[in-house]
Amino acid sequence: DVKVTQSSRYLVKRTGEKVFLECVQDMDHENMFWYRQDPGLGLRLIYFSYDVKMKEKGDIPEGYSVSREKKERFSLILESASTNQTSMYLCASSLWRESTEAFFGQGTRLTVV
Amino acid sequence: DQQVKQNSPSLSVQEGRISILNCDYTNSMFDYFLWYKKYPAEGPTFLISISSIKDKNEDGRFTVFLNKSAKHLSLHIVPSQPGDSAVYFCAARMNRDDKIIFGKGTRLHILP
Repeated sequence: DVKVTQSSRYLVKRTGEKVFLECVQDMDHENMFWYRQDPGLGLRLIYFSYDVKMKEKGDIPEGYSVSREKKERFSLILESASTNQTSMYLCASSLWRESTEAFFGQGTRLTVV
Repeated sequence: DQQVKQNSPSLSVQEGRISILNCDYTNSMFDYFLWYKKYPAEGPTFLISISSIKDKNEDGRFTVFLNKSAKHLSLHIVPSQPGDSAVYFCAARMNRDDKIIFGKGTRLHILP
């Protein structure tokens, strides 16, 4: 079974804090994704990585950065958290150049106060 | 500009009847389409997919239909069951860049 694990289910952080969201997958997938889910807006792609140290901006990268130092781990970084970054964050992984599905983690509900 | 559109935010269907969820897309370069189901406070789970070279794929109670000329796909669930109540996301993928783009989702309520 593919497993994508996000380090926290719930997080509460203060405005201005630097926040790290961690994601690990155990299926040797090349691709990893970070999305956020907000009511009425669906899943929006923040960043995408197709290999170690490689990354591409998604639709809403502003205020975020990512790190992929190892194939199995993809970190999302909120450089200075703001209240409009309160959201459900979802990590996913998939095979490269294959018409297959992406597998999701359980999500991290982040609240910025 | 939204590339994957789910125009119905919600849908209510009687238990035992057919649920039909619709999705439109704008980019003819998409190679692969997927449907995901999501319960609150959980990650999305994969349901069913279809390649752009096919027009139908069936898996148990779930069938996805693709109409490339209309840039439209639909998910049929029959018969609908109470556990099908969830948010359903349509998604599309291009092999060229591997990104997976999602629609806004449709909340399905199965009524007893």
